[in-house]
Amino acid sequence: DAGITQSPRYKITETGRQVTLMCHQTWSHSYMFWYRQDLGHGLRLIYYSAAADITDKGEVPDGYVVSRSKTENFPLTLESATRSQTSVYFCASSDGGGSSYEQYFGPGTRLTVT
Amino acid sequence: RKEVEQDPGPFNVPEGATVAFNCTYSNSASQSFFWYRQDCRKEPKLLMSVYSSGNEDGRFTAQLNRASQYISLLIRDSKLSDSATYLCVWMDSSYKLIFGSGTRLLVRP
Repeated sequence: DAGITQSPRYKITETGRQVTLMCHQTWSHSYMFWYRQDLGHGLRLIYYSAAADITDKGEVPDGYVVSRSKTENFPLTLESATRSQTSVYFCASSDGGGSSYEQYFGPGTRLTVT
Repeated sequence: RKEVEQDPGPFNVPEGATVAFNCTYSNSASQSFFWYRQDCRKEPKLLMSVYSSGNEDGRFTAQLNRASQYISLLIRDSKLSDSATYLCVWMDSSYKLIFGSGTRLLVRP
């Protein structure tokens, strides 16, 4: 299916476990982003990528790792999950510059760390 | 100070009402501004971009005031389907979006 998808949509894990959230887009957009959304904070950028093999930290990168070996995929890994990482995670993609700055968001992954 | 400040609301208005939201930003170098809409437990979606000259899209009007560093969103003739959270957003030079916490709108019958 075309668009941007995330998996899993819901995840419950235990403190200390490694968790990987997947993001896949079919538009060949250059830019991809990971956000977390918590009550009272809005969306905060975790990591972003301008192209394959190029990634950079956002506002709240600690405890997360990303990779981007292919343009269409941008997985986010929590190396050792903590309760403070309980959140809704959104992946987004964008053409970046040019005529379209719009970011298209995936449906989100609701992660609970117990 | 947050980079983007919004009144969280909720704004509770009757159908047909006109409602306006303001949002202030702290970075005077900000160039691009947007309003995103987010329905409950859903992903954000672009509502409209905000241009210096102001812009209108149907019942929605967005304006930018650089001198006072705020942007606004006006919704005329509110519909029940307008109930959502409206996110004020600006873009930095690296195409990263900076989001406000959102203003919640409830339109009642």
